Amino acid sequence: GENVEQHPSTLSVQEGDSAVIKCTYSDSASNYFPWYKQELGKRPQLIIDIRSNVGEKKDQRIAVTLNKTAKHFSLHITETQPEDSAVYFCAASIGAGFQKLVFGTGTRLLVSP
Amino acid sequence: GAVVSQHPSWVICKSGTSVKIECRSLDFQATTMFWYRQFPKQSLMLMATSNEGSKATYEQGVEKDKFLINHASLTLSTLTVTSAHPEDSSFYICSASSQDRANYGYTFGSGTRLTVV
Repeated sequence: GENVEQHPSTLSVQEGDSAVIKCTYSDSASNYFPWYKQELGKRPQLIIDIRSNVGEKKDQRIAVTLNKTAKHFSLHITETQPEDSAVYFCAASIGAGFQKLVFGTGTRLLVSP
Repeated sequence: GAVVSQHPSWVICKSGTSVKIECRSLDFQATTMFWYRQFPKQSLMLMATSNEGSKATYEQGVEKDKFLINHASLTLSTLTVTSAHPEDSSFYICSASSQDRANYGYTFGSGTRLTVV
């Protein structure tokens, strides 16, 4: 079935460093790839997304890259801050029409001051 | 922006009873509603997809008779956990999508923490 793998499961960085989280997906028809930040007990918050017709997208300190041939996409956070600490999930759309999202397993990011 | 209101935010129920969770889209028409379950320190697992006026489509392994989904209007979808057991304790969260939105985003509700005792 559809599958989204995410690595690493935990990531510890020092404030100011960059953080990179990688995901791979299995469905070649996937065309929408959002990234979410989730704090404990809260709803996932969309932080950036990318569609299959674009290879890279940037929003201030956050960027996402997509390689459709290899079926992988990555989240890049630069100049990390302690408030970036949270669990990050990637997702990929599956199916036709208003597609369902399949989520990756999550990455717990800890940014130390 | 788009808002989905989910209630209750938390509920404790006795084993064997049923619990209803509501998700309302406040400022847009939710053509499609997705229901997820999230166990502690795990990812969001899709349970079912419902389109307004149609029967829900359940993911493999999700019991449709246990998790009843109703999407009778474009602004309201409900999930009823029937005959709840302790193993049903989890964080349930809905996500709404609309065909009216130019870039079909997914708007999440705030989640419901269900504890079955």
